[in-house]
Amino acid sequence: DTEVTQTPKHLVMGMTNKKSLKCEQHMGHRAMYWYKQKAKKPPELMFVYSYEKLSINESVPSRFSPECPNSSLLNLHLHALQPEDSALYLCASSQGASGLGDKTQYFGPGTRLLVL
Amino acid sequence: SQKIEQNSEALNIQEGKTATLTCNYTNYSPAYLQWYRQDPGRGPVFLLLIRENEKEKRKERLKVTFDTTLKQSLFHITASQPADSATYLCALGGFKTIFGAGTRLFVKA
Repeated sequence: DTEVTQTPKHLVMGMTNKKSLKCEQHMGHRAMYWYKQKAKKPPELMFVYSYEKLSINESVPSRFSPECPNSSLLNLHLHALQPEDSALYLCASSQGASGLGDKTQYFGPGTRLLVL
Repeated sequence: SQKIEQNSEALNIQEGKTATLTCNYTNYSPAYLQWYRQDPGRGPVFLLLIRENEKEKRKERLKVTFDTTLKQSLFHITASQPADSATYLCALGGFKTIFGAGTRLFVKA
């Protein structure tokens, strides 16, 4: 199984809502990532989890809260978002989690988020 | 600061021709460089990885070169097909991956 799955595919939320994005992989990968991608722009790294611990936070606002319940799951909790947070949110995983391990990333299909 | 540039925002070529995409970087000494393909509304798909000690890598109709002196990678698609139309992204880094802005390739039948 070489697939990363993400749910939901689409999400519309108001600025006062709380919602969560979910990501799952069953490839035994030890690193998982969240990216944000705006239209016609490259993916921008938000968070990296390595061995279920947060290892990189790219100065992301606290209204985005990541969680890694176990080695296969990654969540992104959303609260009090702004319209400018509307984007495609991508999850990825890689086998390597340290040193020179393989860090080729496998991406999910993304969640298209619209904040009204 | 580290910077990646992909030379063309868009590239139009005729079916059957070779597409050549360029990725330049500055303020970086990567151990490897990766190329991904992204279709509209979908996540990027890994294509090829080339290490700093490799000059060239091939996979079917794809070829990547890596010149660490010029700080440049070239990505070639030979015998291009309309199905190759997509955005191609180069990427540097391991965990802290930085993607180039991408080149949108359009292959006309």
